[in-house]
Amino acid sequence: AQKITQTQPGMFVQEKEAVTLDCTYDTSDPSYGLFWYKQPSSGEMIFLIYQGSYDQQNATEGRYSLNFQKARKSANLVISASQLGDSAMYFCAMRELGSWGKLQFGAGTQVVVTP
Amino acid sequence: DTAVSQTPKYLVTQMGNDKSIKCEQNLGHDTMYWYKQDSKKFLKIMFSYNNKELIINETVPNRFSPKSPDKAHLNLHINSLELGDSAVYFCASSLGQGKDGYTFGSGTRLTVV
Repeated sequence: AQKITQTQPGMFVQEKEAVTLDCTYDTSDPSYGLFWYKQPSSGEMIFLIYQGSYDQQNATEGRYSLNFQKARKSANLVISASQLGDSAMYFCAMRELGSWGKLQFGAGTQVVVTP
Repeated sequence: DTAVSQTPKYLVTQMGNDKSIKCEQNLGHDTMYWYKQDSKKFLKIMFSYNNKELIINETVPNRFSPKSPDKAHLNLHINSLELGDSAVYFCASSLGQGKDGYTFGSGTRLTVV
């Protein structure tokens, strides 16, 4: 069964606007971590942000913030003030404590930032 | 200076051949992984080693054999390559199983013709 769901296959966003990428997850493990990665057209996987299941505050890293709603099992990524260089594929991933570190990925959301 | 390095970056080969992809990390991480990204960009784990011991072996054809000579290296050998093996293969490493993030290699694009 799919444990990470990203329902938006693609999105267009205008430069300087904010964009929210949806991610819901499914786990019965009380301890887990949630990650977001960016994959530009060059292909490398770039780590953006991490949220632990026990973290009290939502994670933020520069223009990236994670809207973590534990009861709803959602971990949406918010990119503020979009830039042309933000055009990429974005992946949500989860690591459960008992999974030997395995990352389970969603299908990804392709973001295109337009001038 | 590169944290997780994979070689080669591109690999084009004929069906039926045997090929290897090498991965090395200089981060001192305990755990290394192989992931496969298919043509639809979906990423799925294949194998994981912790201190040279195989700890994750997902449902992967036995034509794929990982080898970890030491905790800094994890190689992937593929026998009798098939068209469906064409994908991007990512090596990654992590320190333990806590909140420490992964570091991915830059990927190896394998094309089987």
